[in-house]
Amino acid sequence: KAGVTQTPRYLIKTRGQQVTLSCSPISGHRSVSWYQQTPGQGLQFLFEYFSETQRNKGNFPGRFSGRQFSNSRSEMNVSTLELGDSALYLCASGESRSLGKETQYFGPGTRLLVL
Amino acid sequence: AQSVTQLDSQVPVFEEAPVELRCNYSSSVSVYLFWYVQYPNQGLQLLLKYLSGSTLVKGINGFEAEFNKSQTSFHLRKPSVHISDTAEYFCAVSPNFGNEKLTFGTGTRLTIIP
Repeated sequence: KAGVTQTPRYLIKTRGQQVTLSCSPISGHRSVSWYQQTPGQGLQFLFEYFSETQRNKGNFPGRFSGRQFSNSRSEMNVSTLELGDSALYLCASGESRSLGKETQYFGPGTRLLVL
Repeated sequence: AQSVTQLDSQVPVFEEAPVELRCNYSSSVSVYLFWYVQYPNQGLQLLLKYLSGSTLVKGINGFEAEFNKSQTSFHLRKPSVHISDTAEYFCAVSPNFGNEKLTFGTGTRLTIIP
């Protein structure tokens, strides 16, 4: 099976712009989670979708949003970019309904740089 | 809420020496525990997880971890490390009910010295 894929892998934007990142989970997986990874804050949970419904949400401002399509592919959007949004954005997929106990399969991430 | 503390941000170890990476957690409820590894320029990969049962958990690449409920710890060990173990290691926890998210520690960078 192909792994989790994320596009694009690298992105440079300027403050105030918006950005959309895409994640294709492993075939058959219905759960997709998004994480932000920065040197200062580490790995922080953004949100999780299961069968097109947001099931969990982290403590991020409303500028961060996401959605999941019927084929389980997911997108996250960040509007009005700030310098502090520069980070590696990781997507993870899982196959079951039990988010807390299952193995998460991570993609390679999208590295976003905001200038 | 849960929290995870990885006290050592960096651990240098000579090749073929043993290593222990420390992880302590805080939670008011029972938890599941995980160790993930991140190799340079890659996403995270599961090393091992504790859900229930035996407190000694064996994972991939020769790693193992022991769950100690009284000390709220889940330390990761390997008896003999290799250059290929150079990576960042993350401990994570989630409550053992419902569909709750993972909370990660800040990571430990393991550097293997030839």
